[in-house]
Order: sequence, then C-alpha cells, then structure tokens
Amino acid sequence: QSALTQPPSASGSPGQSVTISCTGTSSDVGANNYVSWYQQHPGKAPKVMIYEVTKRPSGVPDRFSGSKSGNTASLTVSGLQAEDEADYYCSSYAANKNYVFGTGTTVTVL
Amino acid sequence: QLQLQESGPGLVKPSETLSVTCTVSGASITSSTYLWGWIRQPPGKGLEWIGNIYYSGTAYYNPSLKSRVTMSIDTSKNQFSLKLTSVTAADTALYFCARLNWSHDSWGQGTLVTVSS
Repeated sequence: QSALTQPPSASGSPGQSVTISCTGTSSDVGANNYVSWYQQHPGKAPKVMIYEVTKRPSGVPDRFSGSKSGNTASLTVSGLQAEDEADYYCSSYAANKNYVFGTGTTVTVL
Repeated sequence: QLQLQESGPGLVKPSETLSVTCTVSGASITSSTYLWGWIRQPPGKGLEWIGNIYYSGTAYYNPSLKSRVTMSIDTSKNQFSLKLTSVTAADTALYFCARLNWSHDSWGQGTLVTVSS
C-alpha cells in the first residue's frame, strides 16, 4: 500500500482559511468513511483532529472541518490562528484491518 | 485518564532485533472496543503505520514490514509490544504506540530507537 498524497506545504494569514487535500485510491480513501486527520507540533505526539471524515473529538475547535469526495479527503482550518501552525497528516482504513498515513503537510501561519 | 507510555532500548545494532513495549494506564487493554497500534516516524519524515493488535492477540501488519514484525499483548501487565527483526539504519525512528478505534485517538509520547553499530 502506498502513502496517501498530501501537498508538502500550505499557508495562510491569521483569520484566513487553509484547505489540505489527501488523495488515495478506491481501496482506501474512496472505499470507506474511516478517514482521520492528525495535528503534530514539533517534538510532540500526533493528536486526532478529525475522525470518520467529518467528526471532531471533544475539545477540538469547530474551526477544523473535514470532507471527502471520491478518493480525496480534505481538511479545512478556518480562522487560522498562530497555534494552528503544525504538521498535518491524514490517515485512512485500507481494508483487512490495515491503515495508511498521508505524506504530511506543513501549515504555516504567515 | 488514558495514558500510553513507550519504553525501548534507545540503541540497536544493525541486523539485531528491535523491541519496544507500550504500557497502558487508565483503561483496560482487554476492552473489546479498541485495537492497539504501533506507528513510527523517522527523523524529519512522516508517519508510517506498523500494525495493530487486538486483546485476543490477533494482529494486523503493514505488508511492507510483515516479514519482520511481530506484535504481542500481555493482558496481565496491561502492555503490548513490538518486535522488528533484522533492523537497518532505515528503521531508525520515533516509535509511537496508540489506541485505535477506527482512528488513532490516543498516543504515547514516543520512544526514539536508533540503529547503529
């Protein structure tokens, strides 16, 4: 299984929105609704921000939202804040209890 | 409050076996709701899923690592473990353990394992 494809970087000014794409195949992203998104600050463990494509865990700001169309999932961060600057990874269930992560996107708040 | 804590050797020689353990506190590892997983991250690189294990001991591995990986679970100690054989420098990484319920919803802080002679 190959890693899901994400853009290496994305950026926006405070208050703006940024959208990160995550492209897989009909065997992973396109096959189910178990796509999740993780935020990782330097030196820290990843933290789940979105699960099952659109759901937010308790405590995650509603500025974070997820969607999916076909083999591509997306994470949108609205109203960018300085603390949103981090690496973001998508992940998808890929059948037979396998999982695959995305290549990662570094979000910079200008 | 759920906590996961990895422990490992820090340094492993090439061709030897890497062993890391995750100790779970604040929840029982025998819950039928969750699987328990390992993810690694080479320095400066992205995340790679290694595998997941159920409390029964049934495990699922990344096909690219399957020939070298074995996961196990010790319900009496509320721990699960990872063994990776025939390691090379490419296996140098931060190894994370996590709880899985369709997403990896809780993570340990990670343990750095360096493969070097």
